[in-house]
Amino acid sequence: DAGVIQSPRHEVTEMGQEVTLRCKPISGHNSLFWYRQTMMRGLELLIYFNNNVPIDDSGMPEDRFSAKMPNASFSTLKIQPSEPRDSAVYFCASSHRDLSGYTFGSGTRLTVV
Amino acid sequence: KQEVTQIPAALSVPEGENLVLNCSFTDSAIYNLQWFRQDPGKGLTSLLLIQSSQREQTSGRLNASLDKSSGRSTLYIAASQPGDSATYLCALLNQAGTALIFGKGTTLSVSS
Repeated sequence: DAGVIQSPRHEVTEMGQEVTLRCKPISGHNSLFWYRQTMMRGLELLIYFNNNVPIDDSGMPEDRFSAKMPNASFSTLKIQPSEPRDSAVYFCASSHRDLSGYTFGSGTRLTVV
Repeated sequence: KQEVTQIPAALSVPEGENLVLNCSFTDSAIYNLQWFRQDPGKGLTSLLLIQSSQREQTSGRLNASLDKSSGRSTLYIAASQPGDSATYLCALLNQAGTALIFGKGTTLSVSS
């Protein structure tokens, strides 16, 4: 298995633009997580899916952020409109339903200018 | 609300030294605790996983311990090497079992 695959690796966008981050979890994993990492706040959980259903989105900072998981092999995190304070590294992780095999992707480094 | 704290935030040691990284948490009702390594610009790699019923786990030069009653875990690195330079993050899973909660990490620098 190629592991958790995220794209793009780097994204630079202008303030106000829509940004879409993508994640392909490990095949067979039932749970998917989106995290954001900054120097100030460390790794923060944004949202978590189980069997494609959002279970806990309490970490999503505001309405500008939305996440979807249309099927077991794909998820997106969208920011619209983007702001400079959204600049961070966004990680996707997946695991089995019992949270074993927790594996992180390589992350997407987002810069909003 | 569970809080995970890692002290120190940064640590520099000469090659060959044994060292201990600390992690503390506020709620002892945890399911498991993991130590991760993160290299600059990279994702996270799981190093050791300790279930709540266990006291320690070992892998090579690494040994992680867990004391739930005091809300502490330590990661011991023996005979440190320059290749050990990275950020080490502690993460735990509450008994509610939703997702991992991370500390902010300790950035380790081992000089040759």
